Amino acid sequence: QSVLTQPPSVSGAPGQRVTISCTGSSSNIGAGYDVHWYQQLPGTAPKLLIYGNSDRPSGVPDRFSGSKSGTSASLAITGLQAEDEADYYCQSYDSNLSVVFGGGTKLTVL
Amino acid sequence: EVQLVESGGVVVQPGGSLRLSCAASGFTFDDYTMHWVRQAPGKGLEWISLINWDGDSTSYADSVKGRFTISRDNSKNFLYLQMNSLTTDDTALYYCAKGRGAYSSAWYDYWGQGTLVTVSA
Repeated sequence: QSVLTQPPSVSGAPGQRVTISCTGSSSNIGAGYDVHWYQQLPGTAPKLLIYGNSDRPSGVPDRFSGSKSGTSASLAITGLQAEDEADYYCQSYDSNLSVVFGGGTKLTVL
Repeated sequence: EVQLVESGGVVVQPGGSLRLSCAASGFTFDDYTMHWVRQAPGKGLEWISLINWDGDSTSYADSVKGRFTISRDNSKNFLYLQMNSLTTDDTALYYCAKGRGAYSSAWYDYWGQGTLVTVSA
């Protein structure tokens, strides 16, 4: 059971918009700690997608965006492409536990 | 180019010990906090440990506290993870990751490719 809750799977057709939620509590996201997002393609290491709730590292397409409100955060992907099919993880800090990850969400492009 | 290359993963018996290494290059190693994150087969990411730039401050997940020790050699640009009293639950791909940002808002801008530790009789 992960401290940050993500849906196990989401799906969308090419060109569509999908969102992935990351729900925490008052000891992590709700306490004001930043949320970061990673993309893990099959058989590869995670790659930073969003940091500081909504900032994109250079090289990450602006189709990817992040937001945070209250005890939750979201990753939105617009203009869905086949290459976006991957696992996505949120990450934050918990005042009781230190660094915490969500359980991961598998994105399927239909 | 930033590179993190882990090594040391092998098959080990329950109760055994192992030391993982992570060779860092392409950045000023002693400017950054470094972390270990693991991923059990078919499972999600689990943070394991961190060490600050000079090694004076470390932190561990409850699942490994008292069994694992993180360390670094800034003269050689290496990060280490000493793993003792291993159990089957420690079977995972172990990643070293370069931390960015303040301690409580840290994120990982670079990851190694991982080294596989299998604990099995």
